[in-house]
Formats: sequence, C-alpha cells, structure tokens
Amino acid sequence: EPEVTQTPSHQVTQMGQEVILRCVPISNHLYFYWYRQILGQKVEFLVSFYNNEISEKSEIFDDQFSVERPDGSNFTLKIRSTKLEDSAMYFCASTYRGANSIYPYEQYFGPGTRLTVT
Amino acid sequence: DAKTTQPNSMESNEEEPVHLPCNHSTISGTDYIHWYRQLPSQGPEYVIHGLTSNVNNRMASLAIAEDRKSSTLILHRATLRDAAVYYCILRDTGGGADGLTFGKGTHLIIQP
Repeated sequence: EPEVTQTPSHQVTQMGQEVILRCVPISNHLYFYWYRQILGQKVEFLVSFYNNEISEKSEIFDDQFSVERPDGSNFTLKIRSTKLEDSAMYFCASTYRGANSIYPYEQYFGPGTRLTVT
Repeated sequence: DAKTTQPNSMESNEEEPVHLPCNHSTISGTDYIHWYRQLPSQGPEYVIHGLTSNVNNRMASLAIAEDRKSSTLILHRATLRDAAVYYCILRDTGGGADGLTFGKGTHLIIQP
C-alpha cells in the first residue's frame, strides 16, 4: 500500500540554524500538508500546498517557514532560523483531490520527523 | 470547521466492542464526519467518514444519529493495537482540501 515517507526521523539542531524537513507524498496525490505536534499537545495544521503554491496557511506558519516542491516527488518544509519552541514532531500529509472535486478526501500522514532545537 | 466534543479518555477490555462518542451539535448540512486516530509515536491515520448513513469499513463502523448532532465510532473487537487517540473532525464539503483541525480527541486505553 502506498505511503507517505519522511526524512530524517529525528533532527537535532542548534537555535538559529536552518533546517529542512523532507517528505515524499503518495505519488498520485495533488494536495500536500505540513502539521506539527508539540510534545503532549494537539496536532496543529501549518500549511497546505497545491499546484506549486500555498493553498492555505495557519497563523503558526510565519515568515520563518517556507515550503517547496523541488521536484516531482519531494515536498519540503524549511525553517530559516530555528527557535527552541520549534521543537516538535512535524508530520507531512497528502491527499488526492481532483481539480473539480469538492469532496473531502482523507489525508494520509507520514510517520513524522522529530525536531529538537537546543 | 464546526466544533466537536469528545470524552478525554475511555477504557475497554481487549476483544470487546468499543463505542467512542462524538457530539457535534452545530454541524451543518454539508459537513462530513471524519474519524482519525493516532497510535503512540505515529502520525494520524484515517479511520472512517460519513455524511448521513451509517458506514462500515475494515477498521470500524460509524453510526450517525438521525439529527446528525452526534456520532459513534465503533470498534467491533478491540485489540491492544487499537490503543490510540481518536479524533472526530467535521469537514465541510466545500473545504475538502483544507487542513484538518484536530481537537484533543479521546485517549482509548485497552486492557489485556
């Protein structure tokens, strides 16, 4: 069964450094997402991406964050200058949604990248 | 997305049915009811969804009240692997590609 993959599984970085989290969504999916979950808290939506541009973003997704689909398979989240409070699990997700469909298809999540900022 | 209310936690025994309730009294006519779960140290996982009629799949059943103000996720025979946090999420038809809004969900504990 196709699945969303994420690398690395764990990333440790120092405050102020840039990090790039990588995801490979399911191949025929068209919408891609990033979520984060701070330890012990709710899963929070960050951003959605469709047709090479941001479709929707939350208040959390400020200028420190950016997303990119550099090629036909990868989807990345970049944090420019990490802060201690960026420490969290980051989940990538994808969904199939036809261009003319309004049906809320299910989203498929990856296993996550644990980001630790020291 | 409209608000849902779920119990913080529930406990059940292995191999017994589990009924996980969700209240969504402000649901609109175009909202689908989706259920996801998150196993320990894993990403959320889609379980099931429905609009008006009860639904069954290989993982669970979804029973939707006639007035649609509440629903129940049914695990017919719980296993230890079903121990997870279960989230009930309303998703508007028009916002089908929108990001999901997770609440705190119900922490399901399965006793052997």
